[in-house]
Amino acid sequence: GAVVSQHPSWVICKSGTSVKIECRSLDFQATTMFWYRQFPKQSLMLMATSNEGSKATYEQGVEKDKFLINHASLTLSTLTVTSAHPEDSSFYICSARIPGRTSYEQYFGPGTRLTVT
Amino acid sequence: AQTVTQSQPEMSVQEAETVTLSCTYDTSESDYYLFWYKQPPSRQMILVIRQEAYKQQNATENRFSVNFQKAAKSFSLKISDSQLGDAAMYFCAYPETSGSRLTFGEGTQLTVNP
Repeated sequence: GAVVSQHPSWVICKSGTSVKIECRSLDFQATTMFWYRQFPKQSLMLMATSNEGSKATYEQGVEKDKFLINHASLTLSTLTVTSAHPEDSSFYICSARIPGRTSYEQYFGPGTRLTVT
Repeated sequence: AQTVTQSQPEMSVQEAETVTLSCTYDTSESDYYLFWYKQPPSRQMILVIRQEAYKQQNATENRFSVNFQKAAKSFSLKISDSQLGDAAMYFCAYPETSGSRLTFGEGTQLTVNP
């Protein structure tokens, strides 16, 4: 149980275009999902917390107009990187937690490698 | 704010041997959880083990166990009978109950030598 999927696993886009990454909870409903960015050999950096039916909460320093997050259903959250630039190239990971579970562990998707050319 | 510190950027162990990864944290809360996550070369984050602070007994999951010292705010992970598949980046993590965000340590890269 507690499986999270991400799509695509790998994407290349041209500078100036937008790309959408999907995150789905497959066997549970997730009222809260999280989006992380990870550089090689580094820890995960939280970008934003996504709540179903409401606006996402962004971490300090993350441009909300550039990284659009939509949590339209209890099983789907999307991250859209708008007007992508080469510096946006990174590994993006989503996660979700099971509502009501007081241990607050998160279950992670397999990640999406974004390359902007 | 809570902090999590892993002071060992890299560790290595011989196959079948035992290795311990260190983690310290800081919190003002009295009841909380702590986690160890594993990130193998595939980069899929996998929950290895969880510990609840009010439980005095250290958590165990097969070859993985923790040494939880609440007063010292220490939470180390012991891997017994190390296998090649244990090679990964290991992250210690603390969930903030207020917003349920996870605070991660810097990670420890574990190499398992055959």
